[in-house]
Amino acid sequence: GAVVSQHPSRVICKSGTSVKIECRSLDFQATTMFWYRQFPKQSLMLMATSNEGSKATYEQGVEKDKFLINHASLTLSTLTVTSAHPEDSSFYICSAITNTEAFFGQGTRLTVV
Amino acid sequence: AQSVTQLGSHVSVSEGALVLLRCNYSSSVPPYLFWYVQYPNQGLQLLLKYTTGATLVKGINGFEAEFKKSETSFHLTKPSAHMSDAAEYFCAVSDSGFQKLVFGTGTRLLVSP
Repeated sequence: GAVVSQHPSRVICKSGTSVKIECRSLDFQATTMFWYRQFPKQSLMLMATSNEGSKATYEQGVEKDKFLINHASLTLSTLTVTSAHPEDSSFYICSAITNTEAFFGQGTRLTVV
Repeated sequence: AQSVTQLGSHVSVSEGALVLLRCNYSSSVPPYLFWYVQYPNQGLQLLLKYTTGATLVKGINGFEAEFKKSETSFHLTKPSAHMSDAAEYFCAVSDSGFQKLVFGTGTRLLVSP
């Protein structure tokens, strides 16, 4: 079946630095990918829709200048958390869709210290 | 706007007992409905989905769910719980196919010997 790979699985960074998270569709092309955020013991909240070759679409309340999304190819979308702060610590998960299913990456646990 | 309500943040069952995880949704259009399972620090794995057609949907690992439009429900069941079923379960709804899933708050299933 289709696989979505997310990297890194865990990252610890210092406050004020930037972190990049990659999401790859390994065996299919994804013109659209989605980024979700999951706070501890809470559900997943959609952050943004990543569109290949165009600007991402952000959900209400998500800072586009803080969460930079680039979808430069049909198999890769990246989420960069800029000037990270402890409140950005969370579990980030990407998703890519085919005609029959939404596939999720393994997730990235970001801890900002 | 769509929403999902999962009753019970925790459900405890004994091994071999029936598993019932409740999910109610709201949607202004015929929905796509999903159940995902999440193991600690991992991404989401699709258990089953309802799109159209037969309202009783069978998924992986012996799980099934029934779409009941009149009750706006999509409860997840498994006749006999196994220790390996212990995980977090998320119900999700979408009015745009496999895009932009709206998730419930999740139910943690605990299975005791």
